Amino acid sequence: SQQGEEDPQALSIQEGENATMNCSYKTSINNLQWYRQNSGRGLVHLILIRSNEREKHSGRLRVTLDTSKKSSSLLITASRAADTASYFCATDGAGANSKLTFGKGITLSVRP
Amino acid sequence: KAGVTQTPRYLIKTRGQQVTLSCSPISGHRSVSWYQQTPGQGLQFLFEYFSETQRNKGNFPGRFSGRQFSNSRSEMNVSTLELGDSALYLCASSLTVTGNTIYFGEGSWLTVV
Repeated sequence: SQQGEEDPQALSIQEGENATMNCSYKTSINNLQWYRQNSGRGLVHLILIRSNEREKHSGRLRVTLDTSKKSSSLLITASRAADTASYFCATDGAGANSKLTFGKGITLSVRP
Repeated sequence: KAGVTQTPRYLIKTRGQQVTLSCSPISGHRSVSWYQQTPGQGLQFLFEYFSETQRNKGNFPGRFSGRQFSNSRSEMNVSTLELGDSALYLCASSLTVTGNTIYFGEGSWLTVV
């Protein structure tokens, strides 16, 4: 079963606009990671945020984590056509035998 | 530093055959995990290995198996292939078993006909 649930499932924006994607999860986590996947390719790691962190930045990416609401958001500012891809959140559970669990992903289309 | 390398990248097999996929992790990484990705089910965890020991296993039938070698390289095997096994198989590596960034390879596209 999916731990992370992304929202929306699909997002279409104009180049230059900001894109906000949300992820909710059910159980306690060690960290939450966001990945990007271009069609037919592997997953590219974007950012990792630990459970004791609330916000992280990396270039045009901003990730927030609210452990009380069990949710995270990924903001891509000043989007580019090259940002068109699927985005996944993945949670690394808090248990000893935890594994990285992915949501179904968000398809982002950035129109030139 | 080379990334996660998976071979082969593409392969076509017939129902009933078996297949072996290979994964070389990033140098120094000792944890390797495998995922199956299909349009319908998304990314499903198969198994994870650390120091040649299977640490975790997903909810897949026994036809799916894997192993890890002393150099951290890993292989997964699927026996008696079914049409539904057609998928992108992704390998990922990380330094240790938890709390670290996990890096993915480009995947192996398996088509079962």
